[in-house]
Amino acid sequence: SQQGEEDPQALSIQEGENATMNCSYKTSINNLQWYRQNSGRGLVHLILIRSNEREKHSGRLRVTLDTSKKSSSLLITASRAADTASYFCATDAWGNNRLAFGKGNQVVVIP
Amino acid sequence: ETGVTQTPRHLVMGMTNKKSLKCEQHLGHNAMYWYKQSAKKPLELMFVYSLEERVENNSVPSRFSPECPNSSHLFLHLHTLQPEDSALYLCASSQDPKGNYGYTFGSGTRLTVV
Repeated sequence: SQQGEEDPQALSIQEGENATMNCSYKTSINNLQWYRQNSGRGLVHLILIRSNEREKHSGRLRVTLDTSKKSSSLLITASRAADTASYFCATDAWGNNRLAFGKGNQVVVIP
Repeated sequence: ETGVTQTPRHLVMGMTNKKSLKCEQHLGHNAMYWYKQSAKKPLELMFVYSLEERVENNSVPSRFSPECPNSSHLFLHLHTLQPEDSALYLCASSQDPKGNYGYTFGSGTRLTVV
């Protein structure tokens, strides 16, 4: 089944540093999305990148997509304590009407 | 608030109880979803509704019964649950069934089965 797999699983950084997470998937996709989840809450949509796009920016977020390697990365620049959360990638495979999520990356930003 | 409201936020129920989870969205979205989130596991898709019609059921046990009376409301009826059903249940909606514009999630219902 279509599923994103994030790497690394847990990341602890100092405030102001950059945080990078990677996600790999198995089959052809229509788009790939990143979400953030604060502890015990729902997921919040961060950014969507389509299969014909290679890079996308939104504020301090930068997402890349390499369809030849079936992988994506999420970069958070100049991290803040409020960025502490779990980050999930999700893929929308062609022909499906649902998203498949990875296990998530826990990011802790130390003030 | 995201525009997707889930109630209750927390629920503790015995294995013989019957309860319902409610999800409501007024974003004008056409698709709604139930996901289950257990510790250290990926989000599991349970049900998908598109324009009030169930289009997918990921082999969920019959003790979970969804209901979508209109495009704004989604319920998950629970009966004779097991302790392993304890989890965070998330409702989501999207503008189109294929999720081309992302999903909007509610805050979830934390369910504990005792």
